[in-house]
Amino acid sequence: QTVVTQEPSLTVSPGGTVTLTCASSTGAVTSGYYPNWFQQKPGQAPRALIYSTSNKHSWTPARFSGSLLGGKAALTLSGVQPEDEAEYYCLLYYGGAQPWVFGGGTKLTVL
Amino acid sequence: QVQLQESGPGLVKPSETLSLTCTVSGGSVSSGSYYWSWIRQPPGKGLEWIGYIYYSGSTNYNPSLKSRVTISVDTSKNQFSLKLSSVTAADTAVYYCARSWDSRWELLLVYWGQGTLVTVSS
Repeated sequence: QTVVTQEPSLTVSPGGTVTLTCASSTGAVTSGYYPNWFQQKPGQAPRALIYSTSNKHSWTPARFSGSLLGGKAALTLSGVQPEDEAEYYCLLYYGGAQPWVFGGGTKLTVL
Repeated sequence: QVQLQESGPGLVKPSETLSLTCTVSGGSVSSGSYYWSWIRQPPGKGLEWIGYIYYSGSTNYNPSLKSRVTISVDTSKNQFSLKLSSVTAADTAVYYCARSWDSRWELLLVYWGQGTLVTVSS
């Protein structure tokens, strides 16, 4: 059973920078896992932010960026805004019998 | 802009089959090379990918649910559906439908429905 691990919670000050990570129980995350990132606010459906490690959708604010960092997928928010307070989920592609696995989510608090 | 809307019973009895449909507007389930997916989220917990059906009709399911899941498309109603058999309380969740951006599976979950809560209880 593949497990994708994210920080359960992080806190950042408005205007600050924070990095969320996404690790795989199978080893280092590479571009071949096509990391996706989603933002979910309370009572809402998830919203796609990043695909294939670092590609943004047209609606993704410029302050969000994706990368690979130390064997993990990473989502960095620079110049955090109060409206960025949300749960963030990563999604990794494994192919084979268990193609797509979500991370457990990171609750980001802006305080 | 494509829009997705889930519908179905909000309450299902244990051991019965959960059946949900996702109605697509602003596009056709039979045109374009898209992936049509289902995802669920138990109350207060994280997201779980259930599976998808590709425009060609091929399917791929989460192995933990594979023996109980069927995803299908109804082109006449512009809908796709989810059936989950032998449900238990552990299947209580908000169920979302989603569509890919295009034919690239790395853009699997771009457009989402608003979700529908299904409770399994007698």
